[in-house]
Amino acid sequence: EAQVTQNPRYLITVTGKKLTVTCSQNMNHEYMSWYRQDPGLGLRQIYYSMNVEVTDKGDVPEGYKVSRKEKRNFPLILESPSPNQTSLYFCASSLSGQGVGGYTFGSGTRLTVV
Amino acid sequence: GQQLNQSPQSMFIQEGEDVSMNCTSSSIFNTWLWYKQDPGEGPVLLIALYKAGELTSNGRLTAQFGITRKDSFLNISASIPSDVGIYFCAGRLNRDDKIIFGKGTRLHILP
Repeated sequence: EAQVTQNPRYLITVTGKKLTVTCSQNMNHEYMSWYRQDPGLGLRQIYYSMNVEVTDKGDVPEGYKVSRKEKRNFPLILESPSPNQTSLYFCASSLSGQGVGGYTFGSGTRLTVV
Repeated sequence: GQQLNQSPQSMFIQEGEDVSMNCTSSSIFNTWLWYKQDPGEGPVLLIALYKAGELTSNGRLTAQFGITRKDSFLNISASIPSDVGIYFCAGRLNRDDKIIFGKGTRLHILP
């Protein structure tokens, strides 16, 4: 089944403790992206990647890092999480370009930073 | 930054009613996408529109790409309980192909 898999689905952590949210897609998509969803603010793009070893900042990149060493994986790294990064995070992929043909989204990771 | 104005923010309707929501902007788009998000899940693509004036259906859902290329609407006919969720529009800006999302329309269906 074609899908985007995120792990974990839920995570509670403490301020300052580094964490990684993994994302993997099995559709051979070139483009991958991370979004955060907050009440009243909709989906905001954190980082995106057009292809392997190519990453760019989205609209809200502060406090996050990403890497794209392989086509299928696009982990989101929070080096020193803070409470304002408590949010629902989605990884998404598309065949090429920015959402060409529409994104496939993962099921989400709900992160709470205390 | 660029904005998509999606309205209404929320809707409460009776089962069986038709639903209409729209997205507008001052920017020009070359693609419009409509997604639905069920509780606890990621958004799922419902309809994609690629040409001004295009009208596309997916079952009880119909969406149109506005002639001005600055807006799009989504209609749902004869709503059923499983239509509950958040509906997002997304547009790809013509000038740089960046995708931006509306803030969503939360649909509630009253029994």
